[in-house]
Amino acid sequence: GAGVSQSPSNKVTEKGKDVELRCDPISGHTALYWYRQSLGQGLEFLIYFQGNSAPDKSGLPSDRFSAERTGGSVSTLTIQRTQQEDSAVYLCASSSRQVLYNSPLHFGNGTRLTVT
Amino acid sequence: KQEVTQIPAALSVPEGENLVLNCSFTDSAIYNLQWFRQDPGKGLTSLLLIQSSQREQTSGRLNASLDKSSGRSTLYIAASQPGDSATYLCAVGADSWGKLQFGAGTQVVVTP
Repeated sequence: GAGVSQSPSNKVTEKGKDVELRCDPISGHTALYWYRQSLGQGLEFLIYFQGNSAPDKSGLPSDRFSAERTGGSVSTLTIQRTQQEDSAVYLCASSSRQVLYNSPLHFGNGTRLTVT
Repeated sequence: KQEVTQIPAALSVPEGENLVLNCSFTDSAIYNLQWFRQDPGKGLTSLLLIQSSQREQTSGRLNASLDKSSGRSTLYIAASQPGDSATYLCAVGADSWGKLQFGAGTQVVVTP
């Protein structure tokens, strides 16, 4: 079956513009995670969704960042009024529900965001 | 706060040598530890997941050990090949929902 799909693969935007990043998890995976990978910062947790539960937004760096997950499947990460420090690779991952903490995460290839 | 450290940051070995990658973490109250591989421009591929109650996991040429009490995990790759060249990341499971805390990674180059 298909893996985690992210689009676009690359996005260049001007400072101050809004961007939307999309993630299609593996079919049947109820847990979905967003991470950010920056040079010198490593992988940073942003947000995760699990079924119909309230998402854990504890990793979002500012109120310019938001995410939603519609119908328990596709997720969109939105960054408003982008800043140069938002430039990074945004990675999405999903995991099966059975025993979440013992299920490996499956990552997409990421969206490379460049803010000019 | 959980801190995950990987040493060395980079490693170069000739083909055929065994690879030893180290990961340490400061809080032993973890749910699991996972090792990932990342190729340039790609996402992460899960290699091994060790549950908190386990001491090791094996898959082919890969073996990972976990010592929670000392806050350490080691990934061994036997008989390295040029195709093993990649960045290897370890991550500890911080909560029951699968949220991970990552190390910075070890960049590995295996020369033919």
